[in-house]
Amino acid sequence: EVQLVESGGGLVQPGGSLRLSCVGSGFTFSYYDMHWVRQAAGKGLEWVSAIGSAGDTLYAGSVKGRFTVSRETAKNSLYLQMNSLRAGDTAVYYCVRGRFLDPDGYCGQGTLVTVSA
Amino acid sequence: DIQMTQSPSSLSASVGDRVTITCRASQGIRNDLCWYQQKPGKAPKRLIYAASSLQSGVPSRFSGSGFGTEFTLTISSLQPEDFATYYCLQHNSYPLTFGQGTKVEIK
Repeated sequence: EVQLVESGGGLVQPGGSLRLSCVGSGFTFSYYDMHWVRQAAGKGLEWVSAIGSAGDTLYAGSVKGRFTVSRETAKNSLYLQMNSLRAGDTAVYYCVRGRFLDPDGYCGQGTLVTVSA
Repeated sequence: DIQMTQSPSSLSASVGDRVTITCRASQGIRNDLCWYQQKPGKAPKRLIYAASSLQSGVPSRFSGSGFGTEFTLTISSLQPEDFATYYCLQHNSYPLTFGQGTKVEIK
């Protein structure tokens, strides 16, 4: 059974940092590109970042220069280092398995990040 | 960036109704489109991939169609468990972009 489990969310002050983690199981983690998607309360889904199987990275304009995505294949883990956090970054962050043309798609349960003084 | 315009933003329907939701891409995206369902407090669940292929385990009352710039998600006979918000996602080019969402409510 495929599972994606996020952790690391919490309350942080504006300007602070937080590191999210996502552990994948039930599939060959190294084979897939992986994505972070977020959702502010009452709002729609927003793509944040992606990392390819070779470690190439991409970011939404709203987070470029502040967020860094990485992966550790030996631990089947995906990370999102978030620096210089703003109130507008407050959201539930979801880990999403890539290769969207594959027959099965998976999304984690999400972790809540709250940026507030 | 590719803009995904989803319509309607909300709709009210009854159990048994046929429901159609549309996504329009600002430029051609072949069939690089997925549809997701999201219930309150839950993670999104993928229903359709490659614009028209049904993800395993998804009821056959859900179907998708389209290619290029116009896409539709159809629920042939709405069931009580289908009341949710639906999103399209284009993965043809970065940044990936979602439609604004369609909230399907009970009439």
